Amino acid sequence: DAGITQSPRYKITETGRQVTLMCHQTWSHSYMFWYRQDLGHGLRLIYYSAAADITDKGEVPDGYVVSRSKTENFPLTLESATRSQTSVYFCASRAGTYNSPLHFGNGTRLTVT
Amino acid sequence: RKEVEQDPGPFNVPEGATVAFNCTYSNSASQSFFWYRQDCRKEPKLLMSVYSSGNEDGRFTAQLNRASQYISLLIRDSKLSDSATYLCVVNSPMDSNYQLIWGAGTKLIIKP
Repeated sequence: DAGITQSPRYKITETGRQVTLMCHQTWSHSYMFWYRQDLGHGLRLIYYSAAADITDKGEVPDGYVVSRSKTENFPLTLESATRSQTSVYFCASRAGTYNSPLHFGNGTRLTVT
Repeated sequence: RKEVEQDPGPFNVPEGATVAFNCTYSNSASQSFFWYRQDCRKEPKLLMSVYSSGNEDGRFTAQLNRASQYISLLIRDSKLSDSATYLCVVNSPMDSNYQLIWGAGTKLIIKP
């Protein structure tokens, strides 16, 4: 089915471990985004990508790494997970025109113990 | 002043009533505007884009007031299922690009 999918849906990991969250979209959207949302708070942008091999930092990039070798995939890696990175992570994509809306994946709920 | 501001609520509204809330933005050069709804800890879902002339989708009406720099969302004949957090998003110029700036959301509770 067309759309944007994230995996895993739920992840529990230990402090210091590396974790990769996957995001895949089938629309060939040029823009992709990673947000985190902490309980009771709004969305905060971690990283975004305007096209394959083009990525840029958002509001809260520290402790995260992204790559985009293919248009459809935008994985997010936590190099050494910390408890403060416990959150819900949303991936989103949109087409290249400025008035295109974002479409979100259904999120990954990450717990770092 | 925050770039995009919303009243956090909650708005407690009886079923069947009409409710409206606004979202103000600070950058007068902002180009596109959207309303999303988010159910508890689920992904935000696009409710509607906001066009300059205003637009309606069933019970929902969105308006843009460029002079006063706000967008509004009106919900008529509210349903229990309308209970959610409503997020506004503004596409604003930043440096040489455009950035999507999110409001923190307005919580709406529809009561039977």
